[in-house]
Amino acid sequence: DAGVTQSPTHLIKTRGQQVTLRCSPKSGHDTVSWYQQALGQGPQFIFQYYEEEERQRGNFPDRFSGHQFPNYSSELNVNALLLGDSALYLCASTFGDTEAFFGQGTRLTVV
Amino acid sequence: GDSVTQMEGPVTLSEEAFLTINCTYTATGYPSLFWYVQYPGEGLQLLLKATKADDKGSNKGFEATYRKETTSFHLEKGSVQVSDSAVYFCALSEWNDYKLSFGAGTTVTVRA
Repeated sequence: DAGVTQSPTHLIKTRGQQVTLRCSPKSGHDTVSWYQQALGQGPQFIFQYYEEEERQRGNFPDRFSGHQFPNYSSELNVNALLLGDSALYLCASTFGDTEAFFGQGTRLTVV
Repeated sequence: GDSVTQMEGPVTLSEEAFLTINCTYTATGYPSLFWYVQYPGEGLQLLLKATKADDKGSNKGFEATYRKETTSFHLEKGSVQVSDSAVYFCALSEWNDYKLSFGAGTTVTVRA
């Protein structure tokens, strides 16, 4: 079992650009959550996808959007990148009330 | 809203020392409480959890007890090893909420 896989592992983008991050959940999991972890801080909840719909959203602007595919994989899109979007983006998957499994994250640097 | 406050780090210890990381929380309901660990270059892993008052979570020699009266969930280990060097996060999840709310994390370094 490969667990939660995220791609790419590292990414450098320029202010104003758009970025797409990808996540494949652990086998058997149907729910995907995205978190932003700024340097030296704890992860902050962005949103959660279940049955291909956004089920809950954290306090993030509309520049952050997502998608879930029929195979449960998910994408996080960020438009009009700001320097402050530089962070580690973590994907977590679950099934029902089971433990959340986290991927290793995508390190996004905005220059 | 829900929030978690953790003891600030970094914490540096010698091998076999006793470790305590304080965690207190604010929640509107009856949350489940968690400790996650993040080893260098890796994602977060669940270390232990407790779902109701007075529950004790334990794993790999670590323990934490859910104290409703003091709204705390302090992490303890009696004898740390170099391999315990990591960042530790306290987190909570309300019964009617899908998200995890994390503390800022505490970096622990154990010296041989």
